Amino acid sequence: KQEVTQIPAALSVPEGENLVLNCSFTDSAIYNLQWFRQDPGKGLTSLLLIQSSQREQTSGRLNASLDKSSGRSTLYIAASQPGDSATYLCAVRPTGGSYIPTFGRGTSLIVHP
Amino acid sequence: EAQVTQNPRYLITVTGKKLTVTCSQNMNHEYMSWYRQDPGLGLRQIYYSMNVEVTDKGDVPEGYKVSRKEKRNFPLILESPSPNQTSLYFCASSLSASTLEQYFGPGTRLTV
Repeated sequence: KQEVTQIPAALSVPEGENLVLNCSFTDSAIYNLQWFRQDPGKGLTSLLLIQSSQREQTSGRLNASLDKSSGRSTLYIAASQPGDSATYLCAVRPTGGSYIPTFGRGTSLIVHP
Repeated sequence: EAQVTQNPRYLITVTGKKLTVTCSQNMNHEYMSWYRQDPGLGLRQIYYSMNVEVTDKGDVPEGYKVSRKEKRNFPLILESPSPNQTSLYFCASSLSASTLEQYFGPGTRLTV
């Protein structure tokens, strides 16, 4: 059964720092991996989706990479801002016709001014 | 505005009293799903629907029912709620199952 781990569980940094959030998964047979942001009391917002054949995706200050063979993805946030404070979740969807994604428990990020 | 809506946003009920949480999307998405989020357990999928009249179980379907009679709506039914169903529930949709770039509703906090 797929397991998804996110490290660190919590992170507090000063504004302006470049950050790396990690997501690891135990089964490399994945169809895609998606990064989400969740603000307190709200739903999830999709940030980046990486298909299994891709190595990375970029959107603005965010860059996500995928190394399927080692079971790892990283989310890089450049020049962090207080508005980036949120919980970041990764989710992997398996191959083989299953449509049930497995989510990590998230990294809670605080960026202080 | 493209969105997924859920109602109610907050609900307090008692054991055994049937309830329905509604979910609606205005993006003509084929794929819809329900999740629950619990501290320390993360998000887990309850049910999903590939299209109208096509539904299937997720990881934690026990105690829940769903229906998909129209493309835009995907209600979650708790026939006899129990305290272990106290949770934060999210509905999500995507254009298709293969796309799976999901759009989430704002959540429903249920206390039983």
